[in-house]
Amino acid sequence: GDSVTQMEGPVTLSEEAFLTINCTYTATGYPSLFWYVQYPGEGLQLLLKATKADDKGSNKGFEATYRKETTSFHLEKGSVQVSDSAVYFCARRQAGTALIFGKGTTLSVSS
Amino acid sequence: EAGVAQSPRYKIIEKRQSVAFWCNPISGHATLYWYQQILGQGPKLLIQFQNNGVVDDSQLPKDRFSAERLKGVDSTLKIQPAKLEDSAVYLCASSILQGGQETQYFGPGTRLLVL
Repeated sequence: GDSVTQMEGPVTLSEEAFLTINCTYTATGYPSLFWYVQYPGEGLQLLLKATKADDKGSNKGFEATYRKETTSFHLEKGSVQVSDSAVYFCARRQAGTALIFGKGTTLSVSS
Repeated sequence: EAGVAQSPRYKIIEKRQSVAFWCNPISGHATLYWYQQILGQGPKLLIQFQNNGVVDDSQLPKDRFSAERLKGVDSTLKIQPAKLEDSAVYLCASSILQGGQETQYFGPGTRLLVL
């Protein structure tokens, strides 16, 4: 069935390191894709999105490119900060407007 | 603008008891969602409303879960009777369509522990 698969965490990095969190999806057609972030003690927040193939979403230094050839939407950041420590969720639209989420990847950044 | 409000933030009950959660979406948002997030997993849709009508409740365990949005604004989600496996965070989200694109805004969630 339709699903979203994220790399297993936790991901532990030092400040200023390069970040990649892999995400792949299965779907019919080309659904909109999203990355949400959940900071400790807070609700889910939209980080970035892409609505069609080859689109690049970006926000707060994070980027992700919609790759239809590889059905992927990997999240990247060139230089992470301690404040980026959070749980990151990849998601895609299911039929209609509701979202299907991956299991989440915990990122821990140390100074 | 005010975000999605949920209450209570935490609830502890014993199995077979009943519990209700409340959600107040962002003003003007016609679509409202309830998601269940079990520890270590991503949120899973339970039910979606458009105004006061149900759009999708295919994943709602209807033998014990119910939800309503009578006036097309606030919504309540009820579990009766609760089971141990219902322990999770219950997230409410609302959305509006703007420029052909829809973005969901999530509340802080209600963390339920069933003992």
